[in-house]
Amino acid sequence: RKEVEQDPGPFNVPEGATVAFNCTYSNSASQSFFWYRQDCRKEPKLLMSVYSSGNEDGRFTAQLNRASQYISLLIRDSKLSDSATYLCVVIGGPGYALNFGKGTSLLVTP
Amino acid sequence: GAGVSQSPSNKVTEKGKDVELRCDPISGHTALYWYRQRLGQGLEFLIYFQGNSAPDKSGLPSDRFSAERTGGSVSTLTIQRTQQEDSAVYLCASSVEGTGGEQYFGPGTRLTVT
Repeated sequence: RKEVEQDPGPFNVPEGATVAFNCTYSNSASQSFFWYRQDCRKEPKLLMSVYSSGNEDGRFTAQLNRASQYISLLIRDSKLSDSATYLCVVIGGPGYALNFGKGTSLLVTP
Repeated sequence: GAGVSQSPSNKVTEKGKDVELRCDPISGHTALYWYRQRLGQGLEFLIYFQGNSAPDKSGLPSDRFSAERTGGSVSTLTIQRTQQEDSAVYLCASSVEGTGGEQYFGPGTRLTVT
């Protein structure tokens, strides 16, 4: 079983829609969680950290459920520029090495 | 300021040849990581350097892979006797010690083994 699992999608949504991505992780001792964004043929970039209490950054909301080992990302009012692959990331390796999910592909259409 | 840089951006090599991939981390970042991303796959951790400590090589897939970091800065990933399954994008990332997940990635080196 992979340490971090995501629905690969693709998710095709119209502009303005709300879309949610889910992620599960297997290591119950994991302490840190993130969402990264990766544009086509580009390097990943940190989108936001995920805190136990849930956190929001503009149109983006991240939540963590430790009991279920589940992380989510909600994007409201989708923009065309949100089209990318969203990577669920868990720190479970040595010295902050990141465990990446395979990513969920989002395509926002006009 | 300057971000993480990697060279070459693309490398095509014949099966059996050795290749060297270079990473220049962000100045002042003490942690450096190498990852591999095969086509359509997620990122795989390869190796991690932190300051002057011995690197963690637990992610290296075989003894054909090795990496060095000189002077706590530039790092080189070497793949000996390349195989077709080594074809991937090799990504380097750096971070300030202790910041955990905020890693800054370079643009990657796309390696194609023919």
